[in-house]
Amino acid sequence: ETGVTQSPTHLIKTRGQQVTLRCSSQSGHNTVSWYQQALGQGPQFIFQYYREEENGRGNFPPRFSGLQFPNYSSELNVNALELDDSALYLCASSLSFRTSGANVLTFGAGSRLTVL
Amino acid sequence: GNSVTQMEGPVTLSEEAFLTINCTYTATGYPSLFWYVQYPGEGLQLLLKATKADDKGSNKGFEATYRKETTSFHLEKGSVQVSDSAVYFCALSLNYGQNFVFGPGTRLSVLP
Repeated sequence: ETGVTQSPTHLIKTRGQQVTLRCSSQSGHNTVSWYQQALGQGPQFIFQYYREEENGRGNFPPRFSGLQFPNYSSELNVNALELDDSALYLCASSLSFRTSGANVLTFGAGSRLTVL
Repeated sequence: GNSVTQMEGPVTLSEEAFLTINCTYTATGYPSLFWYVQYPGEGLQLLLKATKADDKGSNKGFEATYRKETTSFHLEKGSVQVSDSAVYFCALSLNYGQNFVFGPGTRLSVLP
């Protein structure tokens, strides 16, 4: 069973640029969630995708957007980057609670974004 | 709103010492509760969970009991090892796992 893989592992951007982060979910998982983890803090929920549609969103502006593909992989896009967007971005996959009754997240190692 | 509060770290212990990391929560509804662990340079790994009041989650010598009356889910281990050094996150989940709310994390350092 493969785990959650994310790419790239590290990247540096400048203010105003756009970034795309990618995530492959664990085999058999149909739901993907994205979290932002600022340095020294706990992860903050950005949004979740199920069946290629957004299935819940945290307190993040619209310049944070995402996609889920038929193979359940996902992308996180951030436009007009700001310095405060510097963080570790974590992808987590899971089975839909509605179908499995389980709500355990399996996390990838994350993509560390630095905005200069 | 929903929130999780953890004891501030860092916590530094000697090997074989007893560990307690306090966690309390505020939630609308009946959450599931979790402890996740993050080792340096890695993502979060599930350590243990409890889905209803009075449930005890346990794994690798760690334990936590879901206390609804005190809205707490304290993490304990009887004898820590150097390899337990990591950041520990308490979390709750509502809405069919749609949104996990994490605490700020507690860094544990275990010295030989």
